[in-house]
Amino acid sequence: EDQVTQSPEALRLQEGESSSLNCSYTVSGLRGLFWYRQDPGKGPEFLFTLYSAGEEKEKERLKATLTKKESFLHITAPKPEDSATYLCAVEGGSQGNLIFGKGTKLSVKP
Amino acid sequence: DTAVSQTPKYLVTQMGNDKSIKCEQNLGHDTMYWYKQDSKKFLKIMFSYNNKELIINETVPNRFSPKSPDKAHLNLHINSLELGDSAVYFCASSQDRTTGELFFGEGSRLTVL
Repeated sequence: EDQVTQSPEALRLQEGESSSLNCSYTVSGLRGLFWYRQDPGKGPEFLFTLYSAGEEKEKERLKATLTKKESFLHITAPKPEDSATYLCAVEGGSQGNLIFGKGTKLSVKP
Repeated sequence: DTAVSQTPKYLVTQMGNDKSIKCEQNLGHDTMYWYKQDSKKFLKIMFSYNNKELIINETVPNRFSPKSPDKAHLNLHINSLELGDSAVYFCASSQDRTTGELFFGEGSRLTVL
């Protein structure tokens, strides 16, 4: 069965304390892996698409990487405004739907 | 201008009632979706339409009926509401059905009492 598992469920960081979020997946025929950010009371907002192992994408303090079994979202020197839930999704399998993980809730304290 | 807008933002209703949620996108996208986010925060696809044609219909009770009058609109009608239908429903759109880059609305929180 296709599935996406994100860890940790919650992460509390001090401002400036770098860390990584993990997204591991099992899907037949991965067509893409996507990272989204979701703020409370809002819809998810697209961040990155990764298509193949070894690929990396960067945006401000965020860098996403992909291997054959997992993806990491690295956050360098986070700021309080980076606090949000980060969702990982994969596209693949027989249906080709986006399958979302439960997300990692990141809190960055000043 | 909001790219994907859905109304209403909140619905509170009694079991057994019927309710509708409307969604409109002004991005010129071909594909629209309905997702359900339950209390455990899992985001699951319910339906997908491409140019007004239903292309994804996940295992959803047939009390849920989507309607797409044109490719900029995708509405969701729910009959005979049950307690388990309480969730946040998100509308989303994408340029076409081949991309996973989705643009989401702000969600409609449905509470069934």
